[in-house]
Amino acid sequence: GQSLEQPSEVTAVEGAIVQINCTYQTSGFYGLSWYQQHDGGAPTFLSYNALDGLEETGRFSSFLSRSDSYGYLLLQELQMKDSASYFCAVREGTGGFKTIFGAGTRLFVKA
Amino acid sequence: DADVTQTPRNRITKTGKRIMLECSQTKGHDRMYWYRQDPGLGLRLIYYSFDVKDINKGEISDGYSVSRQAQAKFSLSLESAIPNQTALYFCATSDPGRTQETQYFGPGTRLLVL
Repeated sequence: GQSLEQPSEVTAVEGAIVQINCTYQTSGFYGLSWYQQHDGGAPTFLSYNALDGLEETGRFSSFLSRSDSYGYLLLQELQMKDSASYFCAVREGTGGFKTIFGAGTRLFVKA
Repeated sequence: DADVTQTPRNRITKTGKRIMLECSQTKGHDRMYWYRQDPGLGLRLIYYSFDVKDINKGEISDGYSVSRQAQAKFSLSLESAIPNQTALYFCATSDPGRTQETQYFGPGTRLLVL
C-alpha cells in the first residue's frame, strides 16, 4: 500500500531551526512536495524534490533521499508566522496520476 | 480575484439531503481534484479529473459523485449526506505541463451534516 509518516507536532522557539521529517511508502514514486496550511486557510505549495539532494528557497529547504524513501523540510530563522501545519505529499502512480498527502505536522513557534 | 473559488464556503445540512459543492478556476488548468480534510488525517483524495471527459476515483469516493461540466468547473455531490461526511472540503487544480505538479487549492468549504 501507500503511506506517508510525519510527526504530528513539533515545537520550536523563534529564531531557531526546525526539521520536519517524512518517510513514505508508495509505488511509482515521482517526487516529494511540501505544503503549508495556516489555521482556517488553504494549503499552499512550498517546495518539490524529484531528485536526491537539497532544494533551498529562502528560509525553507527541502531534502530528498529516494533510496531511503525519506525527506525533510528545514525551516530556518523561525518566525511566529511559521506556526502552521506542514504536509508532505508524494506524486505517485503510473504517469504521476495522483498526489497523496501525509497527515500533517503541526508546528508551534514560541517567543 | 482568486484563481480557484469554491461555493458555498460553509454549509449546514441534514442527514439524507443531497448537496452539491462547486469549484471554479481561472488558471486554465486541465487537472482538478476534490479532497476532504479531517483533523489528524490530512487531505484525502475523493475524485480527480484530468480533462472534461476524464473522471477517476480517489481514496475515499464512496458516498460521493462528481461532474466536470467544463474545463473550469468541477462539482462534488453528496447524494445522501451522512454525519461522518462532516469535514472541510478542498478543490484543487494542477498543470500537467510542469515538471513538478504544484497543486493550487481553493479556500475550502466547511460542511456540517446534522
